[in-house]
Formats: sequence, C-alpha cells, structure tokens
Amino acid sequence: GAVVSQHPSWVICKSGTSVKIECRSLDFQATTMFWYRQFPKQSLMLMATSNEGSKATYEQGVEKDKFLINHASLTLSTLTVTSAHPEDSSFYICSAEARGTDTQYFGPGTRLTVL
Amino acid sequence: RKEVEQDPGPFNVPEGATVAFNCTYSNSASQSFFWYRQDCRKEPKLLMSVYSSGNEDGRFTAQLNRASQYISLLIRDSKLSDSATYLCAVNTGNQFYFGTGTSLTVIP
Repeated sequence: GAVVSQHPSWVICKSGTSVKIECRSLDFQATTMFWYRQFPKQSLMLMATSNEGSKATYEQGVEKDKFLINHASLTLSTLTVTSAHPEDSSFYICSAEARGTDTQYFGPGTRLTVL
Repeated sequence: RKEVEQDPGPFNVPEGATVAFNCTYSNSASQSFFWYRQDCRKEPKLLMSVYSSGNEDGRFTAQLNRASQYISLLIRDSKLSDSATYLCAVNTGNQFYFGTGTSLTVIP
C-alpha cells in the first residue's frame, strides 16, 4: 500500500518551455501533497505544500508564479515549471500524506534537465 | 536554529559493524518521528516510524528521547546494501521537517 507515482520520470526540455509533472497516490487518498526539489548531493528542499481543493502554500524563496501547483483531487497534484531555465534543472520529488495518518510517502521523482 | 539537525557524516563502517545515527529536533511539541532511507538518485523511502517505546525491525532499532529531543537509529550487523543516506523526519502537527541526511557507506 501507500504507492505514489510520478510522471514523467525524466524530462529534457529547451529553455523557455513549461514542464508539467504529475503526482498520483495510487491506493490511498492524499489530503496533503508536498513538492520537493533536490540538487545533486544536497538535501531535500520543500517547495510547497498543497491541500486538495485549496491554494498551495509556498516556502520562502519559491516563486509561486513560476512553480504552479494544482491539487484538483485527493489523488492527483501537478507541478508546472513555467518558462524553465537551466538553473531549474533538478530532481523534483512529490510526497503524499495519507488521510488519517501523519506519514509521507514519496513518489519516484522526476529528473528535469533544461538545456 | 534548524528544526531538525543531523550529522551529515559520512560514516564509513566495515561490514558487520554496528552504527548509530542521532537526529535532534527543536520543537518540543513534535508529534511523530520517522527515519527514511534515500539511495543515490532515488526518492526517500520510509524505513520506520519512531515510537515513544522504541521499535525494532530486524537489524534496525529506532528510539525516541523526548526529554532530550532526539531520535536515534541503530543498525546492527551492517550490510553493504545498507549504504545510503538516512534522513530523519519530524511532524510537528503543522509541518513535516526533514533532516539533511546522514551518509553511510559500508565497506567490505
């Protein structure tokens, strides 16, 4: 149980394009989903927390207009990196907190490379 | 002060050794605690939750010390496959906080 999927698992795009990453909880309902970014050999950095049906809460320094988060259902959240630039290249990982629990389960991550 | 602090290591230990990691947290009202394992270029995976009474899963033992506000992870009889980064996590009820991770390498 508690499986979280992410799609795509990796993406290469040109500078200036937008990239959409999906995060799904496959066998449970996730009231809260989290988006993290991790640069090589660095720790997880929380970008934003999203609750189903409401606006995401962004961490300080994370541009909400650049990283658009939509949490339209209890099993799906999306992160759109708008007008991506090479400095946005990173490993983006989502996690989901199952309803009634306080445990986060992570998706397999999306490796984004912006040329 | 960071919400959660971990010694980044690296810890290099021989196969079969016992190794322990600690993780301190600053919010005394923190409610639940976890250890995750992250392999290189992979997502973190839940290793175990940490309960007040301590819990054990095979070679892994996790303990919570509320008075001193730290959690620990003990790995006995280390295997090569235990090499990874170990992240502690604390849920304050309002937010999850992750440590920066402790790197473990088990050497043959």
